[in-house]
Amino acid sequence: DGGITQSPKYLFRKEGQNVTLSCEQNLNHDAMYWYRQDPGQGLRLIYYSQIVNDFQKGDIAEGYSVSREKKESFPLTVTSAQKNPTAFYLCASSTWDGMNTEAFFGQGTRLTVV
Amino acid sequence: GENVEQHPSTLSVQEGDSAVIKCTYSDSASNYFPWYKQELGKRPQLIIDIRSNVGEKKDQRIAVTLNKTAKHFSLHITETQPEDSAVYFCAAAGFQKLVFGTGTRLLVSP
Repeated sequence: DGGITQSPKYLFRKEGQNVTLSCEQNLNHDAMYWYRQDPGQGLRLIYYSQIVNDFQKGDIAEGYSVSREKKESFPLTVTSAQKNPTAFYLCASSTWDGMNTEAFFGQGTRLTVV
Repeated sequence: GENVEQHPSTLSVQEGDSAVIKCTYSDSASNYFPWYKQELGKRPQLIIDIRSNVGEKKDQRIAVTLNKTAKHFSLHITETQPEDSAVYFCAAAGFQKLVFGTGTRLLVSP
C-alpha cells in the first residue's frame, strides 16, 4: 500500500528537549517537505528537499533541523531553540517529471510542549 | 522568495450558491498552482491544479482560473453543498518549492 506515513500521531515534549518527527514515503518521490500548521496561519514551509543529501530552508526554519540520507525518509528535529513548538506538523512528498506535480500529505503529527 | 496571499479567510454561503476564493503570488517563476481541501482532522488533499500555460481548468463543480500577468488565480465552486465545508488552501510552486496561502474556511449552510 503506497503512501506517506508520519509518526507518531501525537507527541509531547518537555521544554528544553529535542524531539524528532518521522516521515517515510514509498511513492518513489524525489521531493519532500515539512510544513507547520497553526490556526489562521495556513501551512508554513519549514524545510524542503529535492534530492537525497540536499535540503533547503523554508520560511520558518529557525529552531528546526532535517536530514535526507535516504530517498524515502525526511525526519524533522524540533530543537530546544524553537521557542513556540506546539503545532500540527505535516510532511508531504511529490515527484518531478520536468514539471511540478501533486504533493501528497501524511496524516500529521501534533506536537505539544508540556 | 515566493509569497502567496489568500482571501477571504472565511466565507459563508447558502447551499446552492457559488463560492470564490482568490490568491495572489509574487514569484513570476512559479508555474504550478494547486488547490487543496482540508476537512477537520484530516490531511490536505488536492482538488484541482493548473499550470502556467493554461488559463482555466474545470472539473465538474470546481474551476480554477489563472492570470499570469496579474499573478493571481482563483477557485470557483458552483452549486455548493454542505460537504464542501472545509478549509481550502491555494499554493504556488516553482522548482519543487511549494508555498501555501493562509487558507479559507468555507461554510456551506443547508
